[in-house]
Amino acid sequence: EAGVTQFPSHSVIEKGQTVTLRCDPISGHDNLYWYRRVMGKEIKFLLHFVKESKQDESGMPNNRFLAERTGGTYSTLKVQPAELEDSGVYFCASSQYTSGNEQFFGPGTRLTVL
Amino acid sequence: GQSLEQPSEVTAVEGAIVQINCTYQTSGFYGLSWYQQHDGGAPTFLSYNALDGLEETGRFSSFLSRSDSYGYLLLQELQMKDSASYFCAVMDSSYKLIFGSGTRLLVRP
Repeated sequence: EAGVTQFPSHSVIEKGQTVTLRCDPISGHDNLYWYRRVMGKEIKFLLHFVKESKQDESGMPNNRFLAERTGGTYSTLKVQPAELEDSGVYFCASSQYTSGNEQFFGPGTRLTVL
Repeated sequence: GQSLEQPSEVTAVEGAIVQINCTYQTSGFYGLSWYQQHDGGAPTFLSYNALDGLEETGRFSSFLSRSDSYGYLLLQELQMKDSASYFCAVMDSSYKLIFGSGTRLLVRP
């Protein structure tokens, strides 16, 4: 069974540009989460999809971040325009059940904004 | 606010036992999870405690005391490959994970 995949693995962009990150969850997992780790700090929650609906987006830092999950399969996270403080590692995770105790994480996308 | 506290770094020798503590203060609580992350890799699930007590999975055990808002991860018979970062994470009432800042474990020969 394939795990959670993320693309790209690395992205280097300039301040003001746009970047789109993609996450493919484990097949059949209705729950999809985005997290990020900035500057070696703790991993922080961004948002949670159940199928195509946003269940919780309380962690989204501002309106420069837009997440979508059309069709309830893969998800994209767009940052527009990117700022220096957006640099970090963006993780996607999925789980089969909302109350499931295990979230399966992808390898992350390392975003560097110059 | 919501916070989890864990030591930033722990060093131990191969074959030894190490305990990584985690205290938490969160507005909601369903359970305490532990994740392992090797450099550049994905966080991987190790254990989950929803109720007080000890959960054992091979060389790894995890403990929870809800009344003390405290848990720990116990690693036995340490191996070099156990060198990694270990994160405690609370699953809150909205099912999202709130992570600690991680403990870097270095296993020496």
